[in-house]
Amino acid sequence: GAVVSQHPSWVICKSGTSVKIECRSLDFQATTMFWYRQFPKQSLMLMATSNEGSKATYEQGVEKDKFLINHASLTLSTLTVTSAHPEDSSFYICSSVGESNYGYTFGSGTRLTVV
Amino acid sequence: GENVEQHPSTLSVQEGDSAVIKCTYSDSASNYFPWYKQELGKRPQLIIDIRSNVGEKKDQRIAVTLNKTAKHFSLHITETQPEDSAVYFCAAREGGGSQGNLIFGKGTKLSVKP
Repeated sequence: GAVVSQHPSWVICKSGTSVKIECRSLDFQATTMFWYRQFPKQSLMLMATSNEGSKATYEQGVEKDKFLINHASLTLSTLTVTSAHPEDSSFYICSSVGESNYGYTFGSGTRLTVV
Repeated sequence: GENVEQHPSTLSVQEGDSAVIKCTYSDSASNYFPWYKQELGKRPQLIIDIRSNVGEKKDQRIAVTLNKTAKHFSLHITETQPEDSAVYFCAAREGGGSQGNLIFGKGTKLSVKP
């Protein structure tokens, strides 16, 4: 079945630094990748939608200059958290629609801790 | 945009009893409604889904019903077991197309007591 590989699974960084999270679709072409953020004991909140070869669409309240999304190929989408602050600490997870157009494949998630 | 409401936020049942979680959605164009089980720190795991052209779907102890007119759908778990304890999320695909994003409910923490 469809697999999305997400790395790193966890990262600790200092405040002010940047962190890049990668999601790769291993056996299908991910035309669209969705990026979610999940704070403890809360639901998954959509941050942005990225489409291969075009600019990402950000949800209201999500700073596009802080959360840089690149989707340069059909198999790779990246999220870079720039100038990270402790309030950015969260679980970030990507998702893409598989070939069936109904099954959504999730990455394994990245636990970001900013100290 | 789509808005998904989920209730209850917590649910505690005795082993063997049934559990029901309900969700409502706002976008009448939504055509796909998955349910996910999520364990702490892990990715959501699809447990069952239903498309808008179906009213009910069952898979062993798990069933989902959809009422398009009322815009609500429900998850039913029968003969609950302690390993069913987790957080469950409903979701609805926004926009009615085939590539739309999922909007999630706020989740239900299910506890099954032995």
